[in-house]
Amino acid sequence: DIQMTQSPSSVSTSAGDRVTITCRASQGIGSWLAWYQQKPGKAPKLLIYGASILQSGVPSRFSGSGSGTDFSLTISSLQPEDFATYYCQQAATFPRTFGQGTKVEMK
Amino acid sequence: QITLKESGPTLVKPTQTLTLTCTFSGFSLSTAGVGVGWIRQPPGKALEWLALIYWANDKRYSPSLESRLTITQDSSKNQVILTLTNLDPVDTATYYCAHSQPNSGWFFDYWGQGILVTVSS
Repeated sequence: DIQMTQSPSSVSTSAGDRVTITCRASQGIGSWLAWYQQKPGKAPKLLIYGASILQSGVPSRFSGSGSGTDFSLTISSLQPEDFATYYCQQAATFPRTFGQGTKVEMK
Repeated sequence: QITLKESGPTLVKPTQTLTLTCTFSGFSLSTAGVGVGWIRQPPGKALEWLALIYWANDKRYSPSLESRLTITQDSSKNQVILTLTNLDPVDTATYYCAHSQPNSGWFFDYWGQGILVTVSS
């Protein structure tokens, strides 16, 4: 199985800040990576796929980059509704695997 | 408009078999490239991919659970069914079904609301 490791596990930040979350794959996955946002009690929401392609309807303050084994999700100016947990997921091979999540908390 | 909804028991006993149904609308599992997957999330923990069924009835399973999992589809009812045998309290989780298609890189672009299943005697 490909292991997906996110860092940090949590980050305390403020609205308006720039936030970057990283995800590392245990082996190369090309651009087969997605980022999801999950709020408490809700299903995950697809933000970015193909490592850098913004899902329809997702604000442009979200961006993704990387390929191979190292990836990042950046929120350029954090909005109050962005406080949530973020997960990466690879789709290069089966089984599909998720990272352990990064919680973005209010400072 | 694509929607999915999970249904099934919310409390099951250890050693029993869990059967969950995902009822969907707005797409067909006969369309090339389309898939429906199951993902679970224990309380306070991360997401775990379980299984996926594709339009050609191609089925994929998590190796760690493959001996206990079965995924099937009922095309006439627009449903995907997941069974998990020999339940243990560690299987307590919210179970989600989700839609996958080539236009979203085969990632999960639409999700059900989830169903919390508790395994307890």
